[in-house]
Amino acid sequence: DGGITQSPKYLFRKEGQNVTLSCEQNLNHDAMYWYRQDPGQGLRLIYYSQIVNDFQKGDIAEGYSVSREKKESFPLTVTSAQKNPTAFYLCASSIQGENTEAFFGQGTRLTVV
Amino acid sequence: RKEVEQDPGPFNVPEGATVAFNCTYSNSASQSFFWYRQDCRKEPKLLMSVYSSGNEDGRFTAQLNRASQYISLLIRDSKLSDSATYLCVVPGTSYGKLTFGQGTILTVHP
Repeated sequence: DGGITQSPKYLFRKEGQNVTLSCEQNLNHDAMYWYRQDPGQGLRLIYYSQIVNDFQKGDIAEGYSVSREKKESFPLTVTSAQKNPTAFYLCASSIQGENTEAFFGQGTRLTVV
Repeated sequence: RKEVEQDPGPFNVPEGATVAFNCTYSNSASQSFFWYRQDCRKEPKLLMSVYSSGNEDGRFTAQLNRASQYISLLIRDSKLSDSATYLCVVPGTSYGKLTFGQGTILTVHP
């Protein structure tokens, strides 16, 4: 089955540690996105990528980093510079272009302990 | 104006009611718009796309007003299962950027 997979589903991190969230898709989509969602709020864009080896900062990129070495994969690293990392992280992918829907993974719930 | 802004909600309506949400956007060049539904602690899923003046799917109608730069979602004959958060999505000012509204919470009660 085609889809987009995020792992892990739940992640606990100690303060000061970097952590990497995985996002893999087998939909042959060019575009991939990372969003953050805080309780009771909408999705805020962290980073997005329209093509392999290229990505752009979204609205809240500080404290995060990404890579796009393969079309299928778009991992997100939450660095120790992110002051408030506890949130629900959602990865999405779409066919390149503005007029197509985005498909989401099931999300990773990150908690700093 | 924010890139995307939705009615703050929450909306609490009885079963069978008709309810409508609005979403305003700032990018006048946007050509397509989307409404997503998100259940509690789940990922958003596409509900409807809007490419021209509107779209209808059963009890759901999405309309686009380009002159006033807003889209709306109308739900008729509300069901308990319609309770969720509804998010509007608009392509942003940068190519490939998808911007979500903050979401509108709908609760349908018996």
